[in-house]
Amino acid sequence: QKEVEQDPGPLSVPEGAIVSLNCTYSNSAFQYFMWYRQYSRKGPELLMYTYSSGNKEDGRFTAQVDKSSKYISLFIRDSQPSDSATYLCAMSDDNYGQNFVFGPGTRLSVLP
Amino acid sequence: DGGITQSPKYLFRKEGQNVTLSCEQNLNHDAMYWYRQDPGQGLRLIYYSQIVNDFQKGDIAEGYSVSREKKESFPLTVTSAQKNPTAFYLCASTPGQGFGTEAFFGQGTRLTVV
Repeated sequence: QKEVEQDPGPLSVPEGAIVSLNCTYSNSAFQYFMWYRQYSRKGPELLMYTYSSGNKEDGRFTAQVDKSSKYISLFIRDSQPSDSATYLCAMSDDNYGQNFVFGPGTRLSVLP
Repeated sequence: DGGITQSPKYLFRKEGQNVTLSCEQNLNHDAMYWYRQDPGQGLRLIYYSQIVNDFQKGDIAEGYSVSREKKESFPLTVTSAQKNPTAFYLCASTPGQGFGTEAFFGQGTRLTVV
């Protein structure tokens, strides 16, 4: 079993839809969780950072962490064509860069 | 503007050749990282350096080498010992050991073996 799993997609939605992206993990010690957005042939950029459990909201983006289920989610409201990208989750039991584990990413297409 | 610059954007390597990928940052960050990205797989750590003149192997260091002679530079050499080097290579940096909200990534180098 991989340490972090994501549905690779592609996920296609119409503009304005609510998008739900998810990652499951196996290491119950993980407590630092991040979501990155990566446009084609570009480097990842940080979208959301969450420590431990709970929700965090930033504009159209909401990150949720459910440590009891070992499950994290990223919700995108009012999705736009510019949201079309690959979304990577990353997580670690500490905040040391060398220990972060990345998911394979979900490719999202928002159709106008 | 501060950031991380990776060059070249595209690189082609013949079988048996060593090639070096450049990563330069002007963010005054202490720590730098090299990742490899393959389709369907998460980013995998090749090497990291927390301070000048010191670096550590990551999960997939075999066939790669690095140096950290200057704070702003962390070049990666893909040697002929790396049997499957075709991939997208990403460099990242952080102010200290913490990754959290502080990590910046470069725009990547696509390496192809021809």
